[in-house]
Amino acid sequence: SQQGEEDPQALSIQEGENATMNCSYKTSINNLQWYRQNSGRGLVHLILIRSNEREKHSGRLRVTLDTSKKSSSLLITASRAADTASYFCATDAREAAGNKLTFGGGTRVLVKP
Amino acid sequence: ETGVTQSPTHLIKTRGQQVTLRCSSQSGHNTVSWYQQALGQGPQFIFQYYREEENGRGNFPPRFSGLQFPNYSSELNVNALELDDSALYLCASSLSLEQETQYFGPGTRLLVL
Repeated sequence: SQQGEEDPQALSIQEGENATMNCSYKTSINNLQWYRQNSGRGLVHLILIRSNEREKHSGRLRVTLDTSKKSSSLLITASRAADTASYFCATDAREAAGNKLTFGGGTRVLVKP
Repeated sequence: ETGVTQSPTHLIKTRGQQVTLRCSSQSGHNTVSWYQQALGQGPQFIFQYYREEENGRGNFPPRFSGLQFPNYSSELNVNALELDDSALYLCASSLSLEQETQYFGPGTRLLVL
């Protein structure tokens, strides 16, 4: 079963615009991570935010976490055609020893040149 | 490139057959996790191995089994293949159980006919 739900399921934007996607989850977590996947290939780790953090930045990426609402958002600023990919949030549940990730269903982002 | 490799890249099997997928972890990583990703969905956790011992299992039947070797490479075996086993199988390695970031391989795409 999937821990999280991602919204929207698909997003189409013009190059240069910002892309925002949201993730909701169900259980208490140690951290939440965002991954990118190009054309059904392997996942690339983008950013990790711990349960005691509220916001994190990495280059053009901004992630927020609201543990009271069990939700997170990923913002990609000034998008490029190369950002076209599927984006997944993944949670590391507090009750699970070790790093076993539970993924959402993903947001498919298309950046048009 | 994450340094994690998987073989084969693609595989076609028929229902009832058995399959073995292989993963070579990033150097020095003693923890490996396997995930199944059906088309259009997020990855689902199958199981994790730490220092050659299984360390947690997702909601998958016993016909999904694994091994981790002393050099920390690993295998995923699936017996009595079913049509629904068609998916992308991803392995991910991490430096230890405590390291939060996982490094994913490119995956093996399995088609069961």
